Amino acid sequence: DVKVTQSSRYLVKRTGEKVFLECVQDMDHENMFWYRQDPGLGLRLIYFSYDVKMKEKGDIPEGYSVSREKKERFSLILESASTNQTSMYLCASSLAGAVGTIYFGEGSWLTVV
Amino acid sequence: GENVEQHPSTLSVQEGDSAVIKCTYSDSASNYFPWYKQELGKRPQLIIDIRSNVGEKKDQRIAVTLNKTAKHFSLHITETQPEDSAVYFCAASIGGNNDMRFGAGTRLTVKP
Repeated sequence: DVKVTQSSRYLVKRTGEKVFLECVQDMDHENMFWYRQDPGLGLRLIYFSYDVKMKEKGDIPEGYSVSREKKERFSLILESASTNQTSMYLCASSLAGAVGTIYFGEGSWLTVV
Repeated sequence: GENVEQHPSTLSVQEGDSAVIKCTYSDSASNYFPWYKQELGKRPQLIIDIRSNVGEKKDQRIAVTLNKTAKHFSLHITETQPEDSAVYFCAASIGGNNDMRFGAGTRLTVKP
């Protein structure tokens, strides 16, 4: 059974703080993704990675960066958190090759005050 | 960028009725179309998917249809039950990669 684990379920951070959201998957998946979920906007892709040390911008990368130093771990970084980054963040992973199922983590609820 | 439009945004049905959610996509290279169900406070989970080489797929009470020419696909749930209440997301693959774009979601409420 695929497991995608997001280490923090609920966080409250202050404006201007640097925030790290960590994600680990245990199925040796090549692809990893970070999405942001907001009411009425669905899931929007922030960044994705097809391999270690490789990253690609999604649709809304501004204000975010990512790090993929190991295959199983994909981190989302908010360099200077702002209130408009208050949201639910979902990490996901999938196998490389033929397009197929994306597996999601439980989500991290971030509130920036 | 590539778009996936999903309608309606909310849907309320009586238990036992059918529910239909529709999505359109813009990338003609899209070839994989999954549907995810997200219960309150939980992660989205795949419930059914369809690839571009078939027009319809069924799994018990759930079916998905795909019209590649018109670039739209639909989720059909028959004999709805209260436990079907959730947010449903459609998605479409982008190009030949495993990159996915999601619709905005449909909140389905099944009234007992």
